[in-house]
Amino acid sequence: DQQVKQNSPSLSVQEGRISILNCDYTNSMFDYFLWYKKYPAEGPTFLISISSIKDKNEDGRFTVFLNKSAKHLSLHIVPSQPGDSAVYFCAASATSGTYKYIFGTGTRLKVLA
Amino acid sequence: DSGVTQTPKHLITATGQRVTLRCSPRSGDLSVYWYQQSLDQGLQFLIHYYNGEERAKGNILERFSAQQFPDLHSELNLSSLELGDSALYFCASSSSLWGDTLHFGNGTRLTVT
Repeated sequence: DQQVKQNSPSLSVQEGRISILNCDYTNSMFDYFLWYKKYPAEGPTFLISISSIKDKNEDGRFTVFLNKSAKHLSLHIVPSQPGDSAVYFCAASATSGTYKYIFGTGTRLKVLA
Repeated sequence: DSGVTQTPKHLITATGQRVTLRCSPRSGDLSVYWYQQSLDQGLQFLIHYYNGEERAKGNILERFSAQQFPDLHSELNLSSLELGDSALYFCASSSSLWGDTLHFGNGTRLTVT
């Protein structure tokens, strides 16, 4: 049972435009969400997080939006840069004591120069 | 550099063998998580330790075991290896039990021949 889904395996965007990466979850107990970026031969690197008490969090070019009723979150990157080309993972967790983070399968973003 | 160290970087072994993967968390971090990433798949949660105690288990096979030592480093033991165990194994650490950012190491690539 895949509780966190990233339905787009890949995405190509022109440099300077907006990249939108999507993530859906099924477990209504999830209340803390994170986005990670992963380059080849490296471990995932934390990008941005959001808790369920907010519907938006911004950090520079990165903004995460959370729609709790739709169980959906998205990561916006504006403007996209070639260095943003990587695999992006969303992750979700519940503060109900499960003590684990569930990751999606990732979306490979390619920013074209 | 995340501050999380995983050794070895690469491991090649035969079916039926046993290996040990080691993880040193960031200085001061009490939580250690283990994840498995098979070919182009997401990060599958295996197990979480906090200050020496197991706190959560994921889809970890019975042939796999882990522990966290008093100095907070962790080891993941994989035994009776099968071809399907070939994967990247990531360790991540965080400072608290919950609701915190995970910092990942660069992984150990295991190849079972």
